[in-house]
Amino acid sequence: QKEVEQDPGPLSVPEGAIVSLNCTYSNSAFQYFMWYRQYSRKGPELLMYTYSSGNKEDGRFTAQVDKSSKYISLFIRDSQPSDSATYLCAMVKETSGSRLTFGEGTQLTVNP
Amino acid sequence: DAGITQSPRHKVTETGTPVTLRCHQTENHRYMYWYRQDPGHGLRLIHYSYGVKDTDKGEVSDGYSVSRSKTEDFLLTLESATSSQTSVYFCAISVPGQPYNEQFFGPGTRLTVL
Repeated sequence: QKEVEQDPGPLSVPEGAIVSLNCTYSNSAFQYFMWYRQYSRKGPELLMYTYSSGNKEDGRFTAQVDKSSKYISLFIRDSQPSDSATYLCAMVKETSGSRLTFGEGTQLTVNP
Repeated sequence: DAGITQSPRHKVTETGTPVTLRCHQTENHRYMYWYRQDPGHGLRLIHYSYGVKDTDKGEVSDGYSVSRSKTEDFLLTLESATSSQTSVYFCAISVPGQPYNEQFFGPGTRLTVL
């Protein structure tokens, strides 16, 4: 069983929709939770990170972590065609070394 | 790409051939990583380095070796390439920060083993 599960999609939404992306994990040792965005044929880039349970907001993006349920989410409000990308959740068990464990990634398309 | 370059960017090779991929950083960050990305698996760690000549295995290290003789360069070698090693390979560096050491990724190398 994978340590981190993520629905690969693909997910297709109209412009302006609210998008919800989710990951579940099995290891309670994960401390930091990240969302990476990856455009086609590019390397992943960090979008947001959170520590422990709670919410974090950055513009149109909100990241949520529920450690009791081992569940993290990324919400995108007022989605734009430029948000079309693959979104990967990632987690790390400790800060030294920063060894990341990734989800499979969800491919999102926002249609104009 | 946070000063990370990868070479080559694309390579087609034949089964049984040795292949070396290079990752170069313009900073002197201590930690460097090699990942592979495949459909259905996301990114998986192959090897990582925490300093010159200091390396360790990741999740999918079989069939791969690494070397780091200089801080700025991290090499990934496939001693005898197999078709199962067809993948996109990403190098990453870890930049110290508080409270989290962010990882930055290179542009990737697309490897096809025929």
